[in-house]
Amino acid sequence: DAGVIQSPRHEVTEMGQEVTLRCKPISGHDYLFWYRQTMMRGLELLIYFNNNVPIDDSGMPEDRFSAKMPNASFSTLKIQPSEPRDSAVYFCASRTQGQGYTFGSGTRLTVV
Amino acid sequence: AQSVTQLDSQVPVFEEAPVELRCNYSSSVSVYLFWYVQYPNQGLQLLLKYLSGSTLVKGINGFEAEFNKSQTSFHLRKPSVHISDTAEYFCAVSEGNAGNMLTFGGGTRLMVKP
Repeated sequence: DAGVIQSPRHEVTEMGQEVTLRCKPISGHDYLFWYRQTMMRGLELLIYFNNNVPIDDSGMPEDRFSAKMPNASFSTLKIQPSEPRDSAVYFCASRTQGQGYTFGSGTRLTVV
Repeated sequence: AQSVTQLDSQVPVFEEAPVELRCNYSSSVSVYLFWYVQYPNQGLQLLLKYLSGSTLVKGINGFEAEFNKSQTSFHLRKPSVHISDTAEYFCAVSEGNAGNMLTFGGGTRLMVKP
């Protein structure tokens, strides 16, 4: 079991550019979550999917953020256009019923 | 709505001493409780979880936690810490269905000194 796989591990981009973060959940897990971690706000849930369907996106900060899950093995979080205040570590996690979450190693995003 | 409060942002402790990291939650329904550990530049790793049954839960690395419904607490304890336990610890709660979203506390940085 390779765990939850996120890519890239680090991303440095210029303000205004589009950024795409990727996540491969654990096979068989039917929930997928995107979290953002910053010093100021800690861990915030952005959006989560159940069986590839977005269930709650109320944590998505604004329209510049979008997330998709085209199939059970892949999800993306896109920021367009990116801003310096988007700099954070973005975590993807997956789980199945009755189990705890398994987190990926995160993507550290720096927008300059 | 659920919420989690970790009362201490930092806890310094000497090696081999006992430690308790405090966690209180607020919820109007039944809850499921979790502790996660985050080592520098890594993701979150599950330490232990309470879903039902015995209120004393044992986890990995010698940690344990006790669910206290009357005090709405889920404090994490270890009788003797090691330098390698230095990390950030997060308490989290999930309401009702254990499959739903987790709400995290602000985290407690455990700093173990030699």
